[in-house]
Amino acid sequence: QVQLQESGPGLLKPSETLSLTCSVSGASLSSYNWSWVRQPPGKGLEWIGYTDYSGKRNYSPTLRSRFTILIDPSKNQFSLKLTSVTAADSAVYYCARGRVPGYWGQGTLVTVSS
Amino acid sequence: QTVVTQEPSFSVSPGGTVTLTCGLSAGSVSTKNYPSWYQQTPGQPPRTLIYRTYIRSSGVPDRFSGSILGNKAALTITGAQADDESDYYCALYVGGDISVFGGGTKLTVL
Repeated sequence: QVQLQESGPGLLKPSETLSLTCSVSGASLSSYNWSWVRQPPGKGLEWIGYTDYSGKRNYSPTLRSRFTILIDPSKNQFSLKLTSVTAADSAVYYCARGRVPGYWGQGTLVTVSS
Repeated sequence: QTVVTQEPSFSVSPGGTVTLTCGLSAGSVSTKNYPSWYQQTPGQPPRTLIYRTYIRSSGVPDRFSGSILGNKAALTITGAQADDESDYYCALYVGGDISVFGGGTKLTVL
């Protein structure tokens, strides 16, 4: 059974850098693409970007500049980094399997507040 | 920027049939967009109902079905039940290693 689990800080101050990790079990990173999705409170889902096993990655054209997705096959994890966060980045962040998401993690709430 | 369109809201009577659609701001949706459909209730992660246009995820009742209707992807719920009242999202692969979600449809069963 595929399981994905997000981890990272729940509260950041404006201008800080958000780092989230997705730990994957029950599936090999090498066999699939891996995505990050976010959902601001009360709003819809937003695809952030994806990576494959080799590190090939791409991002939503509307979000590209501040996000970085990395993969660490040795730990069966992939990660998301977002620089210079603002209140508008407050959201539930999900990791998922597939460039079009299939299996999802439970999500982690990130709040940006001074 | 590619926009994926969904009806903002829809209502269906219990036992009725409803079809939600997922379109592209420019062009037609095909199986090459690998349409997926998700159901989400408040406080829960999305649940994948349909992937690759018409394949039901494990455990999804067969009253949920996916298809291409005209130039859009479609999710049809046959015999709607009260607990189908949820937000429904679609996602499409739009090329260039990019996927996009629709804005979601709020389905009311009444």
